[in-house]
Amino acid sequence: GAVVSQHPSWVICKSGTSVKIECRSLDFQATTMFWYRQFPKQSLMLMATSNEGSKATYEQGVEKDKFLINHASLTLSTLTVTSAHPEDSSFYICSARGSGGDSDEQFFGPGTRLTVL
Amino acid sequence: ILNVEQSPQSLHVQEGDSTNFTCSFPSSNFYALHWYRWETAKSPEALFVMTLNGDEKKKGRISATLNTKEGYSYLYIKGSQPEDSATYLCAFIRGSARQLTFGSGTQLTVLP
Repeated sequence: GAVVSQHPSWVICKSGTSVKIECRSLDFQATTMFWYRQFPKQSLMLMATSNEGSKATYEQGVEKDKFLINHASLTLSTLTVTSAHPEDSSFYICSARGSGGDSDEQFFGPGTRLTVL
Repeated sequence: ILNVEQSPQSLHVQEGDSTNFTCSFPSSNFYALHWYRWETAKSPEALFVMTLNGDEKKKGRISATLNTKEGYSYLYIKGSQPEDSATYLCAFIRGSARQLTFGSGTQLTVLP
């Protein structure tokens, strides 16, 4: 199947700093990428959907100025958590969807564990 | 708000046992249901994409059924092995949104 990488796999930062997470589709072109967040003992929650070359669509309750998403190429999307605070500590995971085959299938990265001190 | 419920939350079985879990979802405006297998420290791996009422899909010892009219899907594992230990997630797509709404998963542990 298609491979999606995510970097870093974990990060610890101080409150008030910004953190960038990269999501790459390694062997296919991802026209759409999704960013999810998972808090302990909860399900994966969609944060935003991004299409290459256009602005991301954010889910209700997700601050677009805090979670900056850039999808500048067909193989890379980045999520920047700006001015991170302890309540932003969570597991962030991306997925990518290509334009061919089963066009609803999403391929996931391994996720990034963010801890804000 | 879409509610996708999975049960049980966790499950321990002995090697060789067969097991099954349930995913419940809203039956209105159904589009598709996805099953994923998620091992610790790895990426969720797609198992099945199911779209039609009455669908049955099989992949090795794992199979799944779908009932869109009553809003549930079952995932079966025959002759569980320790390597089947993982969290099994279902995700629902409603209408044409093409966005996944996940359940909280069933964590399966297969004891040798």
